[in-house]
Amino acid sequence: DAGITQSPRHKVTETGTPVTLRCHQTENHRYMYWYRQDPGHGLRLIHYSYGVKDTDKGEVSDGYSVSRSKTEDFLLTLESATSSQTSVYFCAISERDRDSNQPQHFGDGTRLSIL
Amino acid sequence: GQNIDQPTEMTATEGAIVQINCTYQTSGFNGLFWYQQHAGEAPTFLSYNVLDGLEEKGRFSSFLSRSKGYSYLLLKELQMKDSASYLCAVTDSNYQLIWGAGTKLIIKP
Repeated sequence: DAGITQSPRHKVTETGTPVTLRCHQTENHRYMYWYRQDPGHGLRLIHYSYGVKDTDKGEVSDGYSVSRSKTEDFLLTLESATSSQTSVYFCAISERDRDSNQPQHFGDGTRLSIL
Repeated sequence: GQNIDQPTEMTATEGAIVQINCTYQTSGFNGLFWYQQHAGEAPTFLSYNVLDGLEEKGRFSSFLSRSKGYSYLLLKELQMKDSASYLCAVTDSNYQLIWGAGTKLIIKP
């Protein structure tokens, strides 16, 4: 299994509070991704990173920010959580290059509930 | 727009064969992935097709027709542990992955 660890695995918090999810990899892969998965929508890309300090938005980036200060860590922050951000969040990594293709490998996910 | 279509749910019998279809319309094409996701777990990579034809991996095979924008995943000798969702994902011209909503496969004894 790809060495990907997400923390926390579960979190319950209140509307308006900040939340940070962490993804840690031991594979030294360049690309890292944050997705959310909701019933009926499949996986939706929030943000991704193609290197240290290099990040870009996905299709559902509003309300989320990311940071990557080290190759192994990719953080997802909800500055002020809303109930619509209740979801399962997956981190993924890939050893792809800019113009090449490789599969993405996923962490175990974080189940986030915002009350 | 970009779109991936898969059936929402399918039912099959243990020991039988099932084919899960995926059709796509994307801005360019740089490969198609199939993933398996058991309930409450992470997706896991099954197969990758970039050229037309069939790729076989044990009980699982995946087929691609680029001209038709069509792929299928074929599962043979179904086992109860194959009960899961199967996700189709296409890489577009910018190497962004476009995901289908997944097909929930129910295996009955």
